[in-house]
Amino acid sequence: EAGVAQSPRYKIIEKRQSVAFWCNPISGHATLYWYQQILGQGPKLLIQFQNNGVVDDSQLPKDRFSAERLKGVDSTLKIQPAKLEDSAVYLCASSRLEAFFGQGTRLTVV
Amino acid sequence: TQLLEQSPQFLSIQEGENLTVYCNSSSVFSSLQWYRQEPGEGPVLLVTVVTGGEVKKLKRLTFQFGDARKDSSLHITAAQPGDTGLYLCAGAPYYGQNFVFGPGTRLSVLP
Repeated sequence: EAGVAQSPRYKIIEKRQSVAFWCNPISGHATLYWYQQILGQGPKLLIQFQNNGVVDDSQLPKDRFSAERLKGVDSTLKIQPAKLEDSAVYLCASSRLEAFFGQGTRLTVV
Repeated sequence: TQLLEQSPQFLSIQEGENLTVYCNSSSVFSSLQWYRQEPGEGPVLLVTVVTGGEVKKLKRLTFQFGDARKDSSLHITAAQPGDTGLYLCAGAPYYGQNFVFGPGTRLSVLP
C-alpha cells in the first residue's frame, strides 16, 4: 500500500512570497490533515478535511493560509504572503482510525 | 481544548538501559497513538491503544493506556542507538475527530 505522498520536500522562499504544498493521501482514507511542526515542537493541526469538506480549521491563520481538497482526494495548502515565522515542516496525514504521515515539506522563509 | 503533556522533554541514556516516557492529559481520549519521528521525516506510527488498561508489546517496546484513558506510557527495554528520535503521543477524543499531539520526548541513546 502506498503511503502519503507530499511535494516538494524542501522549499526556500523570501518573505511576502507565495508557496503551495501538495498532498496525496492513502487510497480510501476519507480524512486528511495538514499539520505545522516548528523545530523542536510537536505537530500542530492547521486543518482537517472529511472527504472534500472542512471539519476543523480553527487554528488555520486564514488571513494568509488556505487549503482545499476539491475532489476529496488530493489536497493543497497555500501560504500567501509568507512570513518568517511560517518556517516549519508542513505535514500531511490521512486516516481511518490511525493517522499516517507523509515525509513533510520543509519550508524556510528568508 | 484537549491538551497532551509529555515527560520528560529530553532524555539521554546509554545503550542497554531501560527507560519510560509518559503522556498525560486531564481529558479522556477514545484512542491514543504513539509515533516516532526521525530528523527530516514524518512521524511513523508505532501503536494505537483504545481500551483503558490495555498493554501492547512491540518487541522491546511496551505501551500502556491508563485505566481512565487519560494517560499512557511507553517503556523501552535495553535501548539501542536506533531507538533515538522524537517520541510523540497523539489522542483523538472521539472517533473521526482530529488528533491532538503532545510536544514529544526527544530520546538520545548513546552507544
